[in-house]
Order: sequence, then C-alpha cells, then structure tokens
Amino acid sequence: QKEVEQDPGPLSVPEGAIVSLNCTYSNSAFQYFMWYRQYSRKGPELLMYTYSSGNKEDGRFTAQVDKSSKYISLFIRDSQPSDSATYLCAMDTGNQFYFGTGTSLTVIP
Amino acid sequence: DTGVSQNPRHKITKRGQNVTFRCDPISEHNRLYWYRQTLGQGPEFLTYFQNEAQLEKSRLLSDRFSAERPKGSFSTLEIQRTEQGDSAMYLCASSSSLLEGETQYFGPGTRLLVL
Repeated sequence: QKEVEQDPGPLSVPEGAIVSLNCTYSNSAFQYFMWYRQYSRKGPELLMYTYSSGNKEDGRFTAQVDKSSKYISLFIRDSQPSDSATYLCAMDTGNQFYFGTGTSLTVIP
Repeated sequence: DTGVSQNPRHKITKRGQNVTFRCDPISEHNRLYWYRQTLGQGPEFLTYFQNEAQLEKSRLLSDRFSAERPKGSFSTLEIQRTEQGDSAMYLCASSSSLLEGETQYFGPGTRLLVL
C-alpha cells in the first residue's frame, strides 16, 4: 500500500465550477499536509499547508484535513482556466515528504 | 529572483555518460532535497541535506547516484553511467528547519533524457 493515495484523474470541469481534490494516507506519523500545483514541465508550487484537522482558507482555495479518517481535500471555488494544472498532495513525517501521484485538472472556458 | 534555481534546465545524454546537475537553494534555507519525478507520478524522494550533512538517502538512490553540498549552500547531483531508466525530471527543493511546518519550495527542475 502506498503511503499516500491520490486519484490521478484526469478531471475536467467548466469554468466557475467548484473542484474537489482528495488524498488518503495510511501513516499516522504525518504531521503536516500540503497541496502543490504543478504546471506542465515546471516544478511544483506550494499552494497551501496545514498541520491540524479542520479547514484553512486562502482566497478561492480551501484545504481540509480530517486526521481521524486520514483524508485531506483541496477545494477550488469559481475555478478558472488558469487553474488547469496537476495538483499534488504532500505529507511530512518531519524527515521526509511523501507525495501523491497528482490529479490532472482542466478547467474549460 | 530569490527562489530555488536549477541548472541545466534540460540535459540530453547518451547511455553510459555521466551527468551532473546543480541546485541553488533559497539563501536562508538550511535544508536541501533532491527528488525524481517521472511522467504521471508525484516526486519521489532521493536524498536530503541539512547544511552540508547528507542526513537521509532513499533506497532509490543507487550507487551510480551521488549528491554533495560541500559548503552548505548549493548542491550537485551526479549520475554516473546513465541508463535509459534514469530519464526523468530531477527536482530540488529547499526549506528551513527553523520554521514551523518546514514547507519545501521547489526549483523548476532539470529534465534528463538518456538516449
């Protein structure tokens, strides 16, 4: 079983839709949870990080962590064509990062 | 630009040749990480440094791979006797162990193609 599981998609939505991206994990030692956005042929760019269960909001993005269910989500409101990218979840034990495989998102104008 | 930089951005080489990549982290970051990413996969951890000390290496890092960070600033990743399976994007990231959360910031990557 992989440390982090993420549905690879691809996911295609119309502009303005609410997008939900999810990851599950198995390691209770994960302390920090991050979402990265990666455009084609570029390095990952940090979007959000959180370290506790609950919600964290930043503009159109909301990160949600449920440690009891070992489940994290990223919600994108009012999605835009510029949001089209691969979204990677990442988790940190303190010494090592583990990434999901990434979900490919396309927002259609 | 004060972000993480990597050079070269692209490298094409023939099987059996040696290649070396360079990473310059964010200047105040004391931790530096190397990852490998193949198409459709998330980054896979290779190794990391705290200052000049290499603290952890993945089992993915075969003896053909070596990384250094001689003065605790920039780092190099060398692959000897390259194989076609080494073709991938090699990503470098840096972070500060002094900051809560220790979020990693990535460079643009070096794309390696072994023919």
